[in-house]
This record gives sequence, C-alpha cells and structure tokens, in this order.
Amino acid sequence: KNEVEQSPQNLTAQEGEFITINCSYSVGISALHWLQQHPGGGIVSLFMLSSGKKKHGRLIATINIQEKHSSLHITASHPRDSAVYICAVIGWNTDKLIFGTGTRLQVFP
Amino acid sequence: GAVVSQHPSWVICKSGTSVKIECRSLDFQATTMFWYRQFPKQSLMLMATSNEGSKATYEQGVEKDKFLINHASLTLSTLTVTSAHPEDSSFYICSARVLIGETQYFGPGTRLLVL
Repeated sequence: KNEVEQSPQNLTAQEGEFITINCSYSVGISALHWLQQHPGGGIVSLFMLSSGKKKHGRLIATINIQEKHSSLHITASHPRDSAVYICAVIGWNTDKLIFGTGTRLQVFP
Repeated sequence: GAVVSQHPSWVICKSGTSVKIECRSLDFQATTMFWYRQFPKQSLMLMATSNEGSKATYEQGVEKDKFLINHASLTLSTLTVTSAHPEDSSFYICSARVLIGETQYFGPGTRLLVL
C-alpha cells in the first residue's frame, strides 16, 4: 500500500463543475503539497499546508491532520484546469517529498 | 513567485554520450536542490538531494557514477548523465528550496531521449 493515496485516479468534468480530489496518507507529516503537472510536464506548486485551509483564486486546499486527509477543490472548473494533480507529503523525520500517484483531470467545454 | 529554470528542455543524444542538464533558481538562493526522474504516467522518483557546496545524497538504487550531480552555487545545480543508454531516456525534473520546511519550486523538466 502506498504511503500517499489519491482518489480518484481519473476525473472528467464539464466546464463549471465543482471538483474535489482527495489525498490520504499513512505517515506522520510536517507538511503536505498539492502540485499541478500540465501535459508538457512542468510542475507548479499550488499549495503547501500543514493545517486548516488555504485558498488561491478558484482553488481551495484543506487538511485534517488527525484524519490524515487532505482535499483539493476547484470551483467553476475550466478546460485550462485539465492537468495531473499530485499530492505530496513531507514526513516528520525527512525533508523528502513522498508523492501520490496523481489524479488526471480533464475538463470539457 | 519563485522561478526555477532547466536547460535544455529536451535533448536527443546517441548512446554512449554524456548529457548535462542545468537547473537554476532565477530569483532566489536555493540551499537545497532535488533531482527527480519521471517515467510516462508514473509519479516522480527522487534521484538525489544536493546541498550547495556538499556532495549529493543519492537515493537507493541510483548510481552516483552514472548520474553526476554538482551544486556549485546557490543558484545552479547540474545533473550529468554519463555514458547514456536508451534506458536512461526519461523526463528529469529539478526542484529548489531555500530552507527546510519551505516550499519546493519545480523546474519545467528536461526530456531526454537516448538513441
């Protein structure tokens, strides 16, 4: 079993829909990252959070440390949001990222 | 936001040649840089961690003589794939970080194809 699990693996949506991607992890962490990887391969760091909730534009990330769970929400989705979204955690005793397998999102017009 | 560049963005080379990939932090000083490798439709795999002025720390199974990493300054790290073979063909991504506990900023990646 992976230390970081994401669901769903694949997600399709119509433009305008509200999207949720989930991430569960099994290790103690100091922080959790949400990353976005576009088809060209480049990776953008969307959020780094260790508690609570963060919002940036149409993106919202939440984390529940007790339940070892985080969610990434996209409001009013748009085709340009189509990408792979990756959850990655930093364990307590390491500064290395442990990656989830990613969620491939396609938003259709 | 912080910007990390990689050069080249893609490279095609013949088997047996060496290829150098540069990773630069453009607007901040990166104490630590990470090198990752990614196969199609798979997650990133950490190859090594490099701290400025120190030898890189390689992950288990990564050949240090094959993948030479140099982090000579706070804004530049290089990965040299020596005597490249077709199985080295992959997408290589670097990331940079100022301090432990802070965000990692990722480069755009370098696609290597070894013929």
